[in-house]
Amino acid sequence: DAGITQSPRHKVTETGTPVTLRCHQTENHRYMYWYRQDPGHGLRLIHYSYGVKDTDKGEVSDGYSVSRSKTEDFLLTLESATSSQTSVYFCAISESEEGNQPQHFGDGTRLSIL
Amino acid sequence: KQEVTQIPAALSVPEGENLVLNCSFTDSAIYNLQWFRQDPGKGLTSLLLIQSSQREQTSGRLNASLDKSSGRSTLYIAASQPGDSATYLCAVSPDNDYKLSFGAGTTVTVRA
Repeated sequence: DAGITQSPRHKVTETGTPVTLRCHQTENHRYMYWYRQDPGHGLRLIHYSYGVKDTDKGEVSDGYSVSRSKTEDFLLTLESATSSQTSVYFCAISESEEGNQPQHFGDGTRLSIL
Repeated sequence: KQEVTQIPAALSVPEGENLVLNCSFTDSAIYNLQWFRQDPGKGLTSLLLIQSSQREQTSGRLNASLDKSSGRSTLYIAASQPGDSATYLCAVSPDNDYKLSFGAGTTVTVRA
């Protein structure tokens, strides 16, 4: 068990509202990632972090921001949610800094924007 | 930009048959390749990780091969069981931040 908790697990909100998703890890892994999963697209990287206050953009970062003020927490924020951001969001961690250990994923947050 | 393709998108086999799942990627400069399993409504479970210097990895009934030069990986599942029914995703890490580029997955149904 990689000790990854995502909250909330489900959320329904309206267009234009801000939304923050939280990813919490119980271990001190350096690398954390946010992906979204949509039918026909597989998973796509939104943002990732390689340390406290160290973050970078992924493939589909427009409309999203992230913050990492503590090693164990990685927050994903939709400043003004749009219907195109309806998706399942997954947080992941990488166990190693040498690329020889797998990534582990949380159970996902299902976000619906009406 | 790394493109990862999994064909076929769906596969149905009778119980006991061996499964062969294919993954191709466009840029051979990868750090590692991973195979994941995803059950409906659930997260991803890592099955196998192959580092760029390796050619295959095995775990129980699962065997994954990697041919970097041709941009291909194959996941073999021996003697399939109904419990193997799931979506299988491959993903490659193109750099040392270990970001993953995913294929869209192959959905497998094993018929009892």
